[in-house]
Amino acid sequence: SAVISQKPSRDICQRGTSLTIQCQVDSQVTMMFWYRQQPGQSLTLIATANQGSEATYESGFVIDKFPISRPNLTFSTLTVSNMSPEDSSIYLCSVLGLAGGNDFTDTQYFGPGTRLTVL
Amino acid sequence: AQKVTQAQTEISVVEKEDVTLDCVYETRDTTYYLFWYKQPPSGELVFLIRRNSFDEQNEISGRYSWNFQKSTSSFNFTITASQVVDSAVYFCALSEGHNTDKLIFGTGTRLQVFP
Repeated sequence: SAVISQKPSRDICQRGTSLTIQCQVDSQVTMMFWYRQQPGQSLTLIATANQGSEATYESGFVIDKFPISRPNLTFSTLTVSNMSPEDSSIYLCSVLGLAGGNDFTDTQYFGPGTRLTVL
Repeated sequence: AQKVTQAQTEISVVEKEDVTLDCVYETRDTTYYLFWYKQPPSGELVFLIRRNSFDEQNEISGRYSWNFQKSTSSFNFTITASQVVDSAVYFCALSEGHNTDKLIFGTGTRLQVFP
């Protein structure tokens, strides 16, 4: 499978600030996604990052709060804006549709996650 | 509507015991995919297996095995001779139709394996 990295791996932020999380893949991929995992909870899809166009957000998530960029087929960023303690979560990116190789092209592979704590 | 239920919130076993993690799903589609992922304490989500709705064959991979039964809408996961390194949260997930871009996750089962 592809190597997926996220930066930062963890951060502690103050209320009202913003944090940008990066997701880098070592192969070109068709689709990239961002998930949130609140403490002790399951994963919830935030949005699909579309290359060269606006992201597609799931119900309950808005662009002003979670702006997303995807400038090419290997990179995406998620910004968590105007943070509050309720934003403390693990944020994970995932990819779908790896170029080449023998991996399932219809299996989502996940990055290592970014553990965010908001004080 | 689609839904994935993992009724076992937490399971504790002693090393070398066998353990089965249950997953029950709901979907109206005849075409769908089921997945299992492992999330160790470090936080990353590790893909374990994918099954499509037309393939009910059980699968074994080392100490891991999966039992897919459409009649009961279940996709259970068994670890044989558990080890401490198996301690993690395990998630079952469902995607409907031919696309696997929308994953619906269960609430996860935390497995603790004690030495």
